[in-house]
Amino acid sequence: DGGITQSPKYLFRKEGQNVTLSCEQNLNHDAMYWYRQDPGQGLRLIYYSQIVNDFQKGDIAEGYSVSREKKESFPLTVTSAQKNPTAFYLCASSFRGGYNEQFFGPGTRLTVL
Amino acid sequence: SQQGEEDPQALSIQEGENATMNCSYKTSINNLQWYRQNSGRGLVHLILIRSNEREKHSGRLRVTLDTSKKSSSLLITASRAADTASYFCATDAATQGGSEKLVFGKGMKLTVNP
Repeated sequence: DGGITQSPKYLFRKEGQNVTLSCEQNLNHDAMYWYRQDPGQGLRLIYYSQIVNDFQKGDIAEGYSVSREKKESFPLTVTSAQKNPTAFYLCASSFRGGYNEQFFGPGTRLTVL
Repeated sequence: SQQGEEDPQALSIQEGENATMNCSYKTSINNLQWYRQNSGRGLVHLILIRSNEREKHSGRLRVTLDTSKKSSSLLITASRAADTASYFCATDAATQGGSEKLVFGKGMKLTVNP
């Protein structure tokens, strides 16, 4: 089956710990995106990548880091520098260009204890 | 930065009625997209309308775009309980060099009562 997957579905973290959220796609898409969703806030772009080994900051990149070593994979690390990391994180992919539809994963809900 | 703003923020209707959602945006765009999100799930793409199009249909969905007013509307006809979800509009800014990302609105929650 073609699609985009995220793991884990739920993640609990203690304050001061870094955690990495996984995002994998087999749609042969060049572009991948990470969004954060808080209640009533809609989606905010954290990082995006248009091609392997290249990525750009979105609107709320502080406290997050990413890598894009493979076309299929775009992991997001939530570092201890992120002050309020509890949120729903969504990964998406698309053919290159903002004019294409994005395909979303099922999301990871991160809770900081 | 929030480009699109959906209106109303919440809508509750009876099954079989039509639901209309509006989206306003601020800058010139190449296209506008509508997405749907069921509670606790990822978003699903519904329809894309390009800046040179005025109306588009897909099944029970009808989207209009008025670039002079910087607004779009999504009409769902003959609504069903399964249409209960949050709906988002998303735009890509028409910038020099091409657009690389979408900007999503805050979303609108539609409840269809059986």
